[in-house]
Amino acid sequence: GAGVSQSPSNKVTEKGKDVELRCDPISGHTALYWYRQSLGQGLEFLIYFQGNSAPDKSGLPSDRFSAERTGGSVSTLTIQRTQQEDSAVYLCASSPSPTGAGNTIYFGEGSWLTVV
Amino acid sequence: EDQVTQSPEALRLQEGESSSLNCSYTVSGLRGLFWYRQDPGKGPEFLFTLYSAGEEKEKERLKATLTKKESFLHITAPKPEDSATYLCAVQAGWQAGTALIFGKGTTLSVSS
Repeated sequence: GAGVSQSPSNKVTEKGKDVELRCDPISGHTALYWYRQSLGQGLEFLIYFQGNSAPDKSGLPSDRFSAERTGGSVSTLTIQRTQQEDSAVYLCASSPSPTGAGNTIYFGEGSWLTVV
Repeated sequence: EDQVTQSPEALRLQEGESSSLNCSYTVSGLRGLFWYRQDPGKGPEFLFTLYSAGEEKEKERLKATLTKKESFLHITAPKPEDSATYLCAVQAGWQAGTALIFGKGTTLSVSS
């Protein structure tokens, strides 16, 4: 597709279950970001991938959160033992490169996670 | 600490009533300031990137400006379809790939 693709678009899960959220970035984009947006809050940075470099995990809120990016393309965000406070929209974004004038960052439509 | 503050939180305008949204920031080394539009239930849609003080960019009824401390998004003669939340973000620091730091947004409602 032409844009950043995320799945599932909506997910309802029971507290304590694990969830996986998928992101397919724009073809050719080397940088990939995950953000979280809670109701009434701004976007919160979670993790950043750039090419084959080690990811910047500085925004992950706890060790229940992890992410991987396979083959420099698709990324999966995993939340283990979900809690109600994990309910939020999880947004994925990608950009052609991390620096310079070409680093416009494009977002997907998000995965809406509800933990009940 | 790098910080982005947007004001007002919410703004109601009549169609055709021009106004401005503010984004003030404190960062260590600004690499870029971004404006996004977000409709309910959607992901943020890119509008502009500004890189240096004095820079201006325009798109239809929107114009973004940048100083060393803040950015304004000017909306001229808005229409109801301009109703959305407008997000400001900065990319700070000198390390490649630094993540965007977002403000909480301004929710704009334009009535006809």
